[in-house]
Amino acid sequence: NAGVTQTPKFQVLKTGQSMTLQCAQDMNHNSMYWYRQDPGMGLRLIYYSASEGTTDKGEVPNGYNVSRLNKREFSLRLESAAPSQTSVYFCASRLTEDTQYFGPGTRLTVL
Amino acid sequence: GEDVEQSLFLSVREGDSSVINCTYTDSSSTYLYWYKQEPGAGLQLLTYIFSNMDMKQDQRLTVLLNKKDKHLSLRIADTQTGDSAIYFCAESRPGGYQKVTFGTGTKLQVIP
Repeated sequence: NAGVTQTPKFQVLKTGQSMTLQCAQDMNHNSMYWYRQDPGMGLRLIYYSASEGTTDKGEVPNGYNVSRLNKREFSLRLESAAPSQTSVYFCASRLTEDTQYFGPGTRLTVL
Repeated sequence: GEDVEQSLFLSVREGDSSVINCTYTDSSSTYLYWYKQEPGAGLQLLTYIFSNMDMKQDQRLTVLLNKKDKHLSLRIADTQTGDSAIYFCAESRPGGYQKVTFGTGTKLQVIP
């Protein structure tokens, strides 16, 4: 039981490049989330998926797209990376109110 | 609006108690959480309290909730160097996706 896994762990992009951050969970959770963490700002919700086949915008969705491929996987895509998207990205999944589990994070730098 | 606020930094001596405070604005919050983040790692759920409770104790951790003042605190007894981390307060509200709002985090430094 690996919990929530994310790939890659680190990534450096040039402005305008695209990439997809992958997230998978093996806990049979319905809800999955993408957050970004910036210094002094806590975690901000980018997108979430309440169940397989549904996705919705969070607080800061601009510049991102997501896909809930199946119940296990929830990917985050940057179509044209910008320096403002330099951040640490966390995926999380959740079954009930008390069980939100986080992945280890992806550290992204956009030059 | 929905806001969760914490002080940015706390320094304590090893063996003392630490108290990390948090205020939130949404009176419809259902659950309030404390997460711990160690350097380079994701967030780990430490404990949580349901909004109709005023206290919860779990080994060295005590959570106090003052719903009237919308104030949440986390007390760590006998603080150890391994407790050095960033602590996030968070709250969730009823809703289709149970959105969780996080505070900015309090960095706890434990001095040996």
